[in-house]
Order: sequence, then structure tokens, then C-alpha cells
Amino acid sequence: SQQGEEDPQALSIQEGENATMNCSYKTSINNLQWYRQNSGRGLVHLILIRSNEREKHSGRLRVTLDTSKKSSSLLITASRAADTASYFCATDASGSEKLVFGKGTKLTVNP
Amino acid sequence: DTAVSQTPKYLVTQMGNDKSIKCEQNLGHDTMYWYKQDSKKFLKIMFSYNNKELIINETVPNRFSPKSPDKAHLNLHINSLELGDSAVYFCASSQGRKTGELFFGEGSRLTVL
Repeated sequence: SQQGEEDPQALSIQEGENATMNCSYKTSINNLQWYRQNSGRGLVHLILIRSNEREKHSGRLRVTLDTSKKSSSLLITASRAADTASYFCATDASGSEKLVFGKGTKLTVNP
Repeated sequence: DTAVSQTPKYLVTQMGNDKSIKCEQNLGHDTMYWYKQDSKKFLKIMFSYNNKELIINETVPNRFSPKSPDKAHLNLHINSLELGDSAVYFCASSQGRKTGELFFGEGSRLTVL
């Protein structure tokens, strides 16, 4: 299975701290994406990193990709209570037309 | 204006009934999807349509039948509902058939009693 696995399953931090979530996957990919899901809402796209990229930034988000280890990390700096959500990585295998999601990391940022 | 809208947001029904969920996107995208999210938040793709053509069918029971009357709409009809069908169903769309960014609807929570 291509499915990504996020680690940890749950993370609780204080406002202002950094949050790091990891994702591992099993097959060669074209790109890897991260999504956020607030409770009771749909998923929102955060960032896409291509297989030939190693690092990407977007505001307080930093994503790294290590294709040799088949892993990615999402770093949220200076976290805020509003960052409380579940975060999912998603991959599309080379030659595939579908995006496969991991099981998510539930992040709680305490004020 | 909501980019991807699904109706209804909540659906409570008895086992054995038939129900439909509708989805519309106003983004001009060519590809639409149905995903199922279970109680453990695991999100699994069910179907994908590109310009009204079915391109992904993930071994979903044939009680589930998607229909795309045009590229802006993708509906999901479920026959003979079972307890295990209880989940949140998400519609999504993307620009092309190669997976870039997906835009999700807010979800339709189906509860089968």
C-alpha cells in the first residue's frame, strides 16, 4: 500500500512553541502534499512539494522531503491556538492518478 | 461563493434505505472525487471522474453509484444502506487528472441506524 503514515498520532503543545509532524510513505512519488482539517470541516490544502524538491516554505510552515528515506516533515513555527487541527500528508505514486492520504496527526495548541 | 459545495451536510437514515449526496464545484475544474472518512479519520478515495468519465473506482461495493451529469457536478447514490456506511463523505475537485491540489467540500455526515 502507498498510504502515508503520520507520526505522532497526536501532539499537544503550548502556544508559541514549534510543532513538527512526520510522514512516511512506501512507493516512489510525484509529489507530497500536506492538508489541514479543522474539526467538523473539510480538508484545506497547505503546501505541495515535488519529488525533486527538498524543502519548501509557506509563511510559518516549513516542509522537507527526503525521497531516499521516503519521508517528509511539516514544521509549524510559533504555533497559535488557531493551528489546532488534524494534519494529513497525501502522496500520489508515480504513474498514479489518485492522491492517497495518511491517517493524520491531531495537533492541539493550548493557549 | 463556496467553491465545492455538498448537500446535505447531515443525513440520518435507517438500514436498507437509499440516499443520495450531491456535489457541485464552481472552480471550472475537470476532475472530481468522492472520499470516505471513517470514525478514525482515515480518508479513503472512492471514485474519481474527469470530464464526466469515470477514471478511478476503488473496489467500492456496487451499492455505491456515482453519477456526473456534467463536469461541475458529481453525485453519489447509495442503495441498501448498511451500518458500516456511516461515515463522512467528502467531495473534492482538482484542475486536471494528474493530482495537484485538491479542493474539498465541507463533508456530508451519514449516519445509518
